[in-house]
Order: sequence, then structure tokens, then C-alpha cells
Amino acid sequence: SQKIEQNSEALNIQEGKTATLTCNYTNYSPAYLQWYRQDPGRGPVFLLLIRENEKEKRKERLKVTFDTTLKQSLFHITASQPADSATYLCALDSGGYQKVTFGIGTKLQVIP
Amino acid sequence: GAGVSQSPRYKVAKRGQDVALRCDPISGHVSLFWYQQALGQGPEFLTYFQNEAQLDKSGLPSDRFFAERPEGSVSTLKIQRTQQEDSAVYLCASSSRVEGTEAFFGQGTRLTVV
Repeated sequence: SQKIEQNSEALNIQEGKTATLTCNYTNYSPAYLQWYRQDPGRGPVFLLLIRENEKEKRKERLKVTFDTTLKQSLFHITASQPADSATYLCALDSGGYQKVTFGIGTKLQVIP
Repeated sequence: GAGVSQSPRYKVAKRGQDVALRCDPISGHVSLFWYQQALGQGPEFLTYFQNEAQLDKSGLPSDRFFAERPEGSVSTLKIQRTQQEDSAVYLCASSSRVEGTEAFFGQGTRLTVV
């Protein structure tokens, strides 16, 4: 069956360091992969979208890679700040229409 | 409005009660989604509308769940005869295109069935 795996344990990182979050998937051929941020009590907020034919995408301090051979995406936050503390969700979109399937999320804590 | 609006923010229902959850998407957005999010989990797909057409309802857990979007804008998710396992946050999202674009989420409705 289709499966999206994110490290469900919290990731603690020192302020200023680069945070790297992993998303692995199986039995899936996504046309797009998205990353969202979710704060407690709020809905997810879109961060980045990468297409299956793209290897890397950047936006300010964020960088996403997408390896369809490894079936993996890495999400990097450089120069992390305490305000980056949140849960980060990986989401796969198989195209056609946007039936986006979410992973469980990884909780990131940036320590001052 | 500026974003996706959901109401109510919180709903407490007695087991067996019917509830209706409302979603006001961003004006002009073609696609509308409902998701269910349990504590500590990612959002789980429930149903998808393209304008007023419900194209996918494969995620609805049972026939007690019903969604509509009659005029292609506001949507309502109805749950009949609520059960404790229905307790969750219900998220609505909309997007401007059919595929390959960001979804804008509302803040969700937290449903607690007692």
C-alpha cells in the first residue's frame, strides 16, 4: 500500500544551524511533492512545491530536493531561528486533480 | 475574504447528534478539499470538489459523512449520528487550479464528541 514516512520524532536543533527533514515514500508515483508548515491549533501553510522532473527548489532560507529514484525528499532550513519551530508536513500529489496525501509530520524545535 | 474561513472553530457534540461544519473558500477557487486530522497525525483526505461537482469522496469514513458545495463556493461537511471516533480537527482547503498548486487551508473545526 502507499506509504509516506516522515521522522515522527521531534528534531531539536541549535539556532543558526541547518535543519534537515526527511520524507520517504513507497508505492507512489507523485507528480508533485509539497512541504507545509503547521503550528499548533492552525491549519497547514504551504511552503514549497517541487515537480517530479525537478531535482531542487529554493525559497529564501528553504531548500527542497526530490529524488524519484530514491523516493525521497529532503527539506532544509538554513540559519534556523526559534520562529521556525513548528511541525513540517510532506505531501504527495499524484496529479490529475490535487488529491494530496500528507505524511504524519516532523516536529522541529529550534533552541536559542 | 482574505483566506479560507471555517466555522465553528470548536464544536462539542453529544454522541448521536448531527453536526454541520462550514467552509468559505477563497473566492474564485475551483478546488475544495476536506481533511480530517487526528491528534499527532497528518491530515487525512476526505473528499474533493471541483466547483460544485464532488469528484472524489473515497476518504469519507462512513455513510454518516456527507459533503456538499451546491453553488461551487461555500461547502458544508455534515456528520450524522456522531460517534466518539469522529472527534478530530476537520480542515478545509481550497486552491485556484485543479493540480500542481498550493492549497490554502482554513484554521479547522475541532469536533469533540462526548
